[in-house]
Amino acid sequence: EAQVTQNPRYLITVTGKKLTVTCSQNMNHEYMSWYRQDPGLGLRQIYYSMNVEVTDKGDVPEGYKVSRKEKRNFPLILESPSPNQTSLYFCATTPTPRGSSYNEQFFGPGTRLTVL
Amino acid sequence: AQSVTQLDSHVSVSEGTPVLLRCNYSSSYSPSLFWYVQHPNKGLQLLLKYTSAATLVKGINGFEAEFKKSETSFHLTKPSAHMSDAAEYFCVVSGTGRRALTFGSGTRLQVQP
Repeated sequence: EAQVTQNPRYLITVTGKKLTVTCSQNMNHEYMSWYRQDPGLGLRQIYYSMNVEVTDKGDVPEGYKVSRKEKRNFPLILESPSPNQTSLYFCATTPTPRGSSYNEQFFGPGTRLTVL
Repeated sequence: AQSVTQLDSHVSVSEGTPVLLRCNYSSSYSPSLFWYVQHPNKGLQLLLKYTSAATLVKGINGFEAEFKKSETSFHLTKPSAHMSDAAEYFCVVSGTGRRALTFGSGTRLQVQP
């Protein structure tokens, strides 16, 4: 079954304690990205990766890091979390675009992060 | 550059009445457009997508959307609302390069019995 998995699904942590949220996909998609969802703001892109070893900043990258060492995995790293990073996080994947635009993205189930 | 504006942050309808969720987009080329739905405490599910074929797009659960290039709109409709339609709906435009997708801010649909 085609799927995107995220772990953990829920996490409560304290300010400054490094954490990693994992994302894995089994669809062999090139493009992966991370979003955060906050009330009234929709989903905002944090980082994206066009392929292995190719990553770049999205709209709200401050305070986050990513890596793409393998095609299937795209972890999100918060080296020193702060309360303003309390949010719902989604990983998403899509095949590299054919033609002028992307097709739909496939989303993971989300990770609800609370930073105290 | 591209952008999406969802014109209503909150829509309330009675069960059995029509649903209209409005979306306007801006794009410098012919975009692909999507509607996603998010039920409470759930992930995002694709409702329907427009990719330059027919301008009237049918999706799951009886939803439809019409692409109107002259109005740069992609409104979502359903003839008769069901209680299970209560959720948040996102209009999304595709892009190229870094911006694979740009999301609207969402419309929360409430369905009253």
